[in-house]
Amino acid sequence: KQEVTQIPAALSVPEGENLVLNCSFTDSAIYNLQWFRQDPGKGLTSLLLIQSSQREQTSGRLNASLDKSSGRSTLYIAASQPGDSATYLCAWGGSNTGKLIFGQGTTLQVKP
Amino acid sequence: NAGVTQTPKFQVLKTGQSMTLQCAQDMNHEYMSWYRQDPGMGLRLIHYSVGAGITDQGEVPNGYNVSRSTTEDFPLRLLSAAPSQTSVYFCASSLDGVSYEQYFGPGTRLTVT
Repeated sequence: KQEVTQIPAALSVPEGENLVLNCSFTDSAIYNLQWFRQDPGKGLTSLLLIQSSQREQTSGRLNASLDKSSGRSTLYIAASQPGDSATYLCAWGGSNTGKLIFGQGTTLQVKP
Repeated sequence: NAGVTQTPKFQVLKTGQSMTLQCAQDMNHEYMSWYRQDPGMGLRLIHYSVGAGITDQGEVPNGYNVSRSTTEDFPLRLLSAAPSQTSVYFCASSLDGVSYEQYFGPGTRLTVT
């Protein structure tokens, strides 16, 4: 059974720091890997999607990479801001049906 | 575009009652899904659909029914509510299953007493 693991579960950093969130998966037969942000009491917002044929995607201060051979993805956040405080979820897409398996998330707090 | 909308936002049910959680999207997305989010369990897939008239089970389908008569709507029916179905339910949609991001609704918080 596919498992998606996110480390660390929680992270607290001072404003301005660059940081890396990790996601690992056990099945490398992947169609895509998606990163989401969830604010308390809200739905999920898509940040980046990396297709199986891609190595990385960038959006503003965010960069996500995918290494299928090692079963890992990382989300790099540059120059963190208090507004980045949220839970970040990675999701493994293992088919063309849109089905996703989620990690438990990393809760990030950026302190002013 | 309103995106993905879900109603109601909050609901309290008694054990044994039935209800339907509504989900609609106005982006002409073929792919729609229902997830539940529980503390310590993360998000788990209940049912999904790859187009009108086509549905299939996800990881935790027991106690739930779905149908997809139109592209826009994907309702989730709880047949006989149980306390174990207390959760936050999210509906999601995407243009396809591989290349395009998924859009999530704001969620329905359900409590079964």
